[in-house]
Amino acid sequence: GAVVSQHPSWVICKSGTSVKIECRSLDFQATTMFWYRQFPKQSLMLMATSNEGSKATYEQGVEKDKFLINHASLTLSTLTVTSAHPEDSSFYICSASGLTGELFFGEGSRLTVL
Amino acid sequence: DAKTTQPPSMDCAEGRAANLPCNHSTISGNEYVYWYRQIHSQGPQYIIHGLKNNETNEMASLIITEDRKSSTLILPHATLRDTAVYYCIVRVAAGNQGGKLIFGQGTELSVKP
Repeated sequence: GAVVSQHPSWVICKSGTSVKIECRSLDFQATTMFWYRQFPKQSLMLMATSNEGSKATYEQGVEKDKFLINHASLTLSTLTVTSAHPEDSSFYICSASGLTGELFFGEGSRLTVL
Repeated sequence: DAKTTQPPSMDCAEGRAANLPCNHSTISGNEYVYWYRQIHSQGPQYIIHGLKNNETNEMASLIITEDRKSSTLILPHATLRDTAVYYCIVRVAAGNQGGKLIFGQGTELSVKP
């Protein structure tokens, strides 16, 4: 079946640095990818919708200048957390939409900001 | 906001059927019912989706009421590995700008030996 891969699966960084997370659709082309954030014992919260070749659409309350999203190809979207702070520590998950209507999710990337 | 309501938790005996209910009384005519599950610290896993007819695959069955205001996910023979949080979501199918998945709180299913 379709596979979505995220990298890195976990990352630890110092406060003030930027971190990039990649999301790849491995065997299908995804014109749309979605980025979620999940805090411990909470549900997934949609952050933004990433469309290939155009600007991402951010959900209300999500800072677009802090969470930079680039969807440069049909198989790759990246999320950059700029000037990360401890409160940005979270589980970040991407998903990609295939032609059959299903949304496939990556394995998630756990970010810890010290 | 999520458009579905689910019980926060359920228990099921190993080997028995797990029936997970979901209410989606405000579902629109072009919205599908999707089910995903999330095992701790992993990305959500697709289970099944349907529009108005009942659906079955190798993982589960989906029963949608005739008025489409509720549905039930059935795991026919639950195993310990089915312990997870199960999310019921309504979504317009791919090809539409509104095809994003909005997660509610889900049902935490515990399968017990």
